[in-house]
Amino acid sequence: AQSVTQLGSHVSVSEGALVLLRCNYSSSVPPYLFWYVQYPNQGLQLLLKYTSAATLVKGINGFEAEFKKSETSFHLTKPSAHMSDAAEYFCAVSEVESGGSNYKLTFGKGTLLTVNP
Amino acid sequence: NAGVTQTPKFQVLKTGQSMTLQCAQDMNHNSMYWYRQDPGMGLRLIYYSASEGTTDKGEVPNGYNVSRLNKREFSLRLESAAPSQTSVYFCASIFSGTGNQPQHFGDGTRLSIL
Repeated sequence: AQSVTQLGSHVSVSEGALVLLRCNYSSSVPPYLFWYVQYPNQGLQLLLKYTSAATLVKGINGFEAEFKKSETSFHLTKPSAHMSDAAEYFCAVSEVESGGSNYKLTFGKGTLLTVNP
Repeated sequence: NAGVTQTPKFQVLKTGQSMTLQCAQDMNHNSMYWYRQDPGMGLRLIYYSASEGTTDKGEVPNGYNVSRLNKREFSLRLESAAPSQTSVYFCASIFSGTGNQPQHFGDGTRLSIL
């Protein structure tokens, strides 16, 4: 089974500063990777996804992520943080179930982003 | 513009009570999922249904049952609730077929068991 590691359960940045949220995955085959965002008391919303078309993926709200196969990483960045970016962020990898054809998501444990004024 | 709808949004139960969490999607998706979210644990898959008429266990199925009532609806049942099942439960759906499609999530059911 694949696994996803998010380094740092809590990241705090100042408004206007660079946001960097780290995600590493384990996979023996090229994966499908996702970043989701969760605002308080809401469900998860898709930020962006990697599906092998391009290594630099742009998402909503100015976020982007770069797939680096050699580092098995898919870190999320945003050049300038905004107060509205405060939320929890989840990295996830899609894998096909053993012996089957159904795909399941494996999530990292999440990173809570705090943006200070 | 509903997407995935979960009911109820909040519930408090006593230990030993039973309850069914409801989920419905209006996107004509084939696959549906139930997750639980606990602090510091991310989302863990409880059960999923790849298509109407099929269900399979996920990572943490113990203490739960599911029913795929039809293509739109996928319910999660706690037969005898325990405090360890206090959590936020999310339902998700996907058209399925390939792994590059994102899942669509409901807003969750916040369940407390006393």
